[in-house]
Amino acid sequence: AQSVTQLDSQVPVFEEAPVELRCNYSSSVSVYLFWYVQYPNQGLQLLLKYLSGSTLVKGINGFEAEFNKSQTSFHLRKPSVHISDTAEYFCAVSGYSSASKIIFGSGTRLSIRP
Amino acid sequence: EADIYQTPRYLVIGTGKKITLECSQTMGHDKMYWYQQDPGMELHLIHYSYGVNSTEKGDLSSESTVSRIRTEHFPLTLESARPSHTSQYLCASTLGRMNTEAFFGQGTRLTVV
Repeated sequence: AQSVTQLDSQVPVFEEAPVELRCNYSSSVSVYLFWYVQYPNQGLQLLLKYLSGSTLVKGINGFEAEFNKSQTSFHLRKPSVHISDTAEYFCAVSGYSSASKIIFGSGTRLSIRP
Repeated sequence: EADIYQTPRYLVIGTGKKITLECSQTMGHDKMYWYQQDPGMELHLIHYSYGVNSTEKGDLSSESTVSRIRTEHFPLTLESARPSHTSQYLCASTLGRMNTEAFFGQGTRLTVV
C-alpha cells in the first residue's frame, strides 16, 4: 500500500518569489508520482507526473518537480509565482500494478500575496 | 482537454431524498473513481471500478453505492440523503491499465438540507 504526506497545509508567498511545496511518499514498491492543481470550484488538473527516467520533471505553468528515491520525496517548485497560481495543490502516488489505486495527499493551499 | 463529465454541478436537496450523481467519460478508460472532498480538504476515495461489472469500496466508508454497467458511465447513488452527505464529489478515470494519468470531472457540489 502507498501513502502520501504533504507537509504544509498552507504556503503564503509574495508574487514573483520562488516556492516549494513538499511531498513525501511511502511505498514498498515502485511508484508513479503526480502533482495536481485544483482551482476554486473545479476538478483537479494534472500539473506533472513522474513515471520513469529523468528525476527532474517539468510540467505546465512553469512548475517542475524532482523525484528523490532515497528521500522518498517529490517536491514541487516554481522559480517565480504569479497571482494566478493561487490554488490547492495535491501530490498523489500510484503503484505499478493494474490493481493499484491513486492515493492523494491532504493538499497544500498556495496563496500569493501581491 | 479531458472528456469526463459530471452532472449536476450543484445540487441542493432535502433530507431523505434519493439522488444519483452522474459521471461519464468518452475516452474508453477502464478505471473510474469517486472521491469525496470537503471544502479545502483532502480527497477521500469512496468507490472505484476496474471495468464493467467491477466495483469496489474505497478507503472512506460511504453510504453511497455505485454501478458500472457500461464502460463510459459510473453513477453514484445515495438512497436517502442526509446533511452529513453534504460535500463535493469528484469523478475521475485513468488512462490505461496502469494509473499513468487521471482525468477529473468538474465535480458535483451536493448540499443536503
